[in-house]
Amino acid sequence: KAGVTQTPRYLIKTRGQQVTLSCSPISGHRSVSWYQQTPGQGLQFLFEYFSETQRNKGNFPGRFSGRQFSNSRSEMNVSTLELGDSALYLCASSLGGLVPGETQYFGPGTRLLVL
Amino acid sequence: DQQVKQNSPSLSVQEGRISILNCDYTNSMFDYFLWYKKYPAEGPTFLISISSIKDKNEDGRFTVFLNKSAKHLSLHIVPSQPGDSAVYFCAASGNYQLIWGAGTKLIIKP
Repeated sequence: KAGVTQTPRYLIKTRGQQVTLSCSPISGHRSVSWYQQTPGQGLQFLFEYFSETQRNKGNFPGRFSGRQFSNSRSEMNVSTLELGDSALYLCASSLGGLVPGETQYFGPGTRLLVL
Repeated sequence: DQQVKQNSPSLSVQEGRISILNCDYTNSMFDYFLWYKKYPAEGPTFLISISSIKDKNEDGRFTVFLNKSAKHLSLHIVPSQPGDSAVYFCAASGNYQLIWGAGTKLIIKP
């Protein structure tokens, strides 16, 4: 089985621009979660999608949004980029989502640099 | 408000010795705990987990201990090997959330 894939792997943008990141989950997985990782902050939960519905959301401003398609692929969009948005963005897929006993499978991440 | 804390940003251990990584949590609603390992330029990979109804789970060289009264869990790696050098994250699951610690960088010295 192919793993979780994320595109692009690296991205450089300037302040004020917007960016769209893509995540393809493992085949058969219906849940996709997005995380932001910055040095010393661990993984900060952005949101989770399950069967095209946003099921849970972290404490991020409305500039961060996402969606999931019928094939479970997911996109994350960040509008009006700020310098502080520079981070590694990880997506994870699983069968049932953020429930006890479920293992999240992570992609390699997209490293975003905002100048 | 950090609900899951890993207070040691880094840990250095001699090859062959025991590595002990610690994690504390504050929310009693968490009912499942996981450890993930992350190498540079890769996403985290699942290592081991434990349900809140247990106090120990073992998988080869890896053992996780849970002390619910202290809201504390630890990951023991015995014996430590060079390939164990990585960042280790603990995560707590509950109420459709997965809350992560900031990670501990483990360095195994030859």
